[in-house]
Amino acid sequence: AQTVTQSQPEMSVQEAETVTLSCTYDTSESDYYLFWYKQPPSRQMILVIRQEAYKQQNATENRFSVNFQKAAKSFSLKISDSQLGDAAMYFCAYRSYTGTASKLTFGTGTRLQVTL
Amino acid sequence: ETGVTQTPRHLVMGMTNKKSLKCEQHLGHNAMYWYKQSAKKPLELMFVYNFKEQTENNSVPSRFSPECPNSSHLFLHLHTLQPEDSALYLCASSQDGTSGGENTQYFGPGTRLTVL
Repeated sequence: AQTVTQSQPEMSVQEAETVTLSCTYDTSESDYYLFWYKQPPSRQMILVIRQEAYKQQNATENRFSVNFQKAAKSFSLKISDSQLGDAAMYFCAYRSYTGTASKLTFGTGTRLQVTL
Repeated sequence: ETGVTQTPRHLVMGMTNKKSLKCEQHLGHNAMYWYKQSAKKPLELMFVYNFKEQTENNSVPSRFSPECPNSSHLFLHLHTLQPEDSALYLCASSQDGTSGGENTQYFGPGTRLTVL
């Protein structure tokens, strides 16, 4: 079974600075997808960025980028030019496909605080 | 309405009540999911429906009964719940291909359930 580990329960960053959230996972599969979701106080789970395991190029979405190290099974999220609206819980997720359904395994989350 | 909607947003029920949670997706997807999010625990996948058929049931107690009448609607029927069932219940949908693929899941805003 796949596992996802987020070792940082809480992180803090100053506005306009850069922060990196860590995520490691364990799998025996060679082809899979990885996701970062954001959950603000409204509780809506919002997709931030996704990465395909067979693509070597790191995914980028505006101020959000990932550092995907397949051999190390590491998938960190970098937030540049942090904004107050980035404050939220961030969840790393691994997507496996069983042949009949896709399943997401989530980490325990990292709470990001953004300070002035 | 766009995206994934859930009703009600908040629900308080007694242990002997029967209630239902509703989820509707407006994305043209063919797979729908129920997740449970409890305090200080990772999101737990409860049920998966693909093409209206249940493909996953992660050992969920029978007091939770899912129903998927079509690919746009998903219900979670609740009866004789326990206080430990109090949690945020999230619905998600994705477009699942027969050979896997991206299958990005998009989430609704959740229903906050309190069992007294």
